[in-house]
Amino acid sequence: LAKTTQPISMDSYEGQEVNITCSHNNIATNDYITWYQQFPSQGPRFIIQGYKTKVTNEVASLFIPADRKSSTLSLPRVSLSDTAVYYCLVGAFVLQGGKLIFGQGTELSVKP
Amino acid sequence: EAGVTQFPSHSVIEKGQTVTLRCDPISGHDNLYWYRRVMGKEIKFLLHFVKESKQDESGMPNNRFLAERTGGTYSTLKVQPAELEDSGVYFCASSQGTATTSTDTQYFGPGTRLTVL
Repeated sequence: LAKTTQPISMDSYEGQEVNITCSHNNIATNDYITWYQQFPSQGPRFIIQGYKTKVTNEVASLFIPADRKSSTLSLPRVSLSDTAVYYCLVGAFVLQGGKLIFGQGTELSVKP
Repeated sequence: EAGVTQFPSHSVIEKGQTVTLRCDPISGHDNLYWYRRVMGKEIKFLLHFVKESKQDESGMPNNRFLAERTGGTYSTLKVQPAELEDSGVYFCASSQGTATTSTDTQYFGPGTRLTVL
């Protein structure tokens, strides 16, 4: 299973764009990249998933370079409510039975 | 549509006692997962049900933990007897299980915070 590395914490201000980069040098051909968000006292929540290039939804964008050894979660114009822990997960989830392998995550703090 | 629910939200017990955690997945979801995070550690997978069958229980720490999913609906996770190191937050997640891509989005419950004194 590909190991991921992401910053432990990040600070931002309201209205800014936040980019969180995750390194996954050992990503395998079958692996997808998935990001989860977790608020205090809540369970993780799926944000976005991608395999290559760029994926965008109503919450975020995910940029994946051609070599797929890293990915960047982009949160446009963050607000205080985006303060949370963001997890980058890599795996061929169906092939590995669906279980998710969480790392330490990135604790994002958005300030007014 | 109701999300994944877990009961209780908090439980405080003494070492040696028994505790049963319950998870109600999203209706129609065949896959049910249990995870936990102990203090200062990462969220760790415990086990995976497909309907009522245990698909993968490789993450269960020891035989003091027993998970069941009778009828393929809700699931219980019993810890007997509880030890101090069992303290943590226990999360349940469910997924539909019909995806043909390499992943199937898991929806997590709010977790049960277990404190063993």
